[in-house]
Amino acid sequence: NAGVTQTPKFQVLKTGQSMTLQCAQDMNHEYMSWYRQDPGMGLRLIHYSVGAGITDQGEVPNGYNVSRSTTEDFPLRLLSAAPSQTSVYFCASSYVPEGGEQYFGPGTRLTVT
Amino acid sequence: QQQVKQSPQSLIVQKGGIPIINCAYENTAFDYFPWYQQFPGKGPALLIAIRPDVSEKKEGRFTISFNKSAKQFSLHIMDSQPGDSATYFCAATANTGNQFYFGTGTSLTVIP
Repeated sequence: NAGVTQTPKFQVLKTGQSMTLQCAQDMNHEYMSWYRQDPGMGLRLIHYSVGAGITDQGEVPNGYNVSRSTTEDFPLRLLSAAPSQTSVYFCASSYVPEGGEQYFGPGTRLTVT
Repeated sequence: QQQVKQSPQSLIVQKGGIPIINCAYENTAFDYFPWYQQFPGKGPALLIAIRPDVSEKKEGRFTISFNKSAKQFSLHIMDSQPGDSATYFCAATANTGNQFYFGTGTSLTVIP
């Protein structure tokens, strides 16, 4: 099992550019989520999905889009990157959101200049 | 508004000491409280978790104490080792929702 994989590991964008952060899991988890981690802010939920075709917003969804066409993949799209989106992004998955261990990917460090 | 408040922000202890990290919450619907450990450059990993029907849970050197009436829970690390140096996050979620709420993290340094 590869667990949760994320690509790329590092990315530098210019303001206004768009990109997609990839996330995949091979554990057949229904629940997947995206977090951003900023110093002094902890992990904040961006979007989550409880299954293929179902997504919902978390605490900080503005400027991000997601879709879930398969159980395995949950990409995060930045539509028009802004410096405020400079952060480390983590994808996570679990069998169920409540009471389930979340498995985190290794993260993507994004810098927007 | 921070749903889960965590303190302290950083902690330095000597090897063998017992660091204690505290978290507090307001939402009484929360019913699952995990702690995650994160090493530099890595994603967080589940360390230990507790539900409100027990007041304490131990796994190896790690213990969660839970005070339901005070809406507080804490992580104790017994006989701390330099390898425990990491950032620790508390979190909370409710079975009526689909969102995890994390604390702001505590950076622990254990000095040999």
